This record gives sequence, structure tokens and C-alpha cells, in this order.
Amino acid sequence: GAVVSQHPSWVICKSGTSVKIECRSLDFQATTMFWYRQFPKQSLMLMATSNEGSKATYEQGVEKDKFLINHASLTLSTLTVTSAHPEDSSFYICSATDRVSYEQYFGPGTRLTVT
Amino acid sequence: AQSVTQLGSHVSVSEGALVLLRCNYSSSVPPYLFWYVQYPNQGLQLLLKYTSAATLVKGINGFEAEFKKSETSFHLTKPSAHMSDAAEYFCAVSRQNGNKLVFGAGTILRVKS
Repeated sequence: GAVVSQHPSWVICKSGTSVKIECRSLDFQATTMFWYRQFPKQSLMLMATSNEGSKATYEQGVEKDKFLINHASLTLSTLTVTSAHPEDSSFYICSATDRVSYEQYFGPGTRLTVT
Repeated sequence: AQSVTQLGSHVSVSEGALVLLRCNYSSSVPPYLFWYVQYPNQGLQLLLKYTSAATLVKGINGFEAEFKKSETSFHLTKPSAHMSDAAEYFCAVSRQNGNKLVFGAGTILRVKS
């Protein structure tokens, strides 16, 4: 079946540094990728919608200058957390929509801890 | 706007008992509805989805859900719980297949031996 990978699976960084998270669709092309954030013991909240070759659409309350999203190809989207702070510590999950079937597949998530 | 309400943040059942996880939705357009399962520190696995075809949807691992428009509900059931079903379950709604999802708060299912 369709697979979405995320790299890294977990990362620890110091406050003030930037972290890049990759989301790849391994065996299909994705018209759209979504980035979600999940705080401990909470649900998933959509951060932004990423379309290949165009600017991402951010949800209300999500700082676009802090969470930089790049969707350079039909199989890769990246989320960069800039000047990370401890409150950015969370589980970040991406999903990708197959351009042919319109089925949506989720990645395994990336655990970010900012110290 | 769309929203999802999951009644019961924690549900506990005995092994072999019926599992019922409740989900009510709000949507201004005909909804697409989903149930996902999440194990600790893992991503989401799709259990089943409703896309305006049959109102009774069968999914993986013996789960099924029934879309009831009059009640705006999409409850998840399984006739006989297994220990491996212990996980967190999320109901979600979207405007169309492949579109962004709005998730409920989640229900943690505990299965007692």
C-alpha cells in the first residue's frame, strides 16, 4: 500500500535553533500534503496545507514565519521550525493525498523536543 | 465550518465485549467521515471511511460504523473487543476525500482481560 515517510522520527534541539522535518510520499505522487501538530494527550490540529509549487496555506493562529513549509516536488514537503522554543515541542504528523486516487495517507510522525 | 464531537474521552470494555465509540459531526456540506486509530508514538491508521455510498461502512480489524444523517452521527462499533484494540481512536470529517481533516478530541479505548 501507499507509504508516507517522515524524517527524522524524533529530534531534540536547543532553544533558538531551527529544525527541518521532511515528509515524503514513497510510491505515489501527492498533489497536496498537510501538516498537523499533536500536543501530548490532545488531538491533531491542522497547521497548514501544502500544494506542490505554490505557497502553503496556514490555519488561523499558525505563524507562517515560524513554521516554514516548502513543497518542492510531488513527493516531498518540508516543515522548518525556526527559532524553536520549548512550547514548540510536539508531535508533528504529515499526510499526503494521492493525485490519482485522492486517498490520504499519514506519515508516522516526528517527535520534536526543544530544550 | 466543520466540527467533530467524540463523547467519552476514555472507554473501558472487557475482552470479548461490544465496543461502541461515539462520534457526532457538524457540517454545512455533505460530509466525508473517517475513523482512525493511533497507537502510542505512532501515526494514524485508517480504520474506515464514509464517502456518501453505503451508510454502513465496514473497516479493518472487524470494525464498522453507521452514518446516520438524522442524528449527525458516525459511531464506531466492534462486536467483540480484543486486547490489541487498546489504542486511541479519532473521528474526523472533511469536505471531500483527500481534503484537510478536522479531528475530534479522541477516545482512549482500554480493554480489560
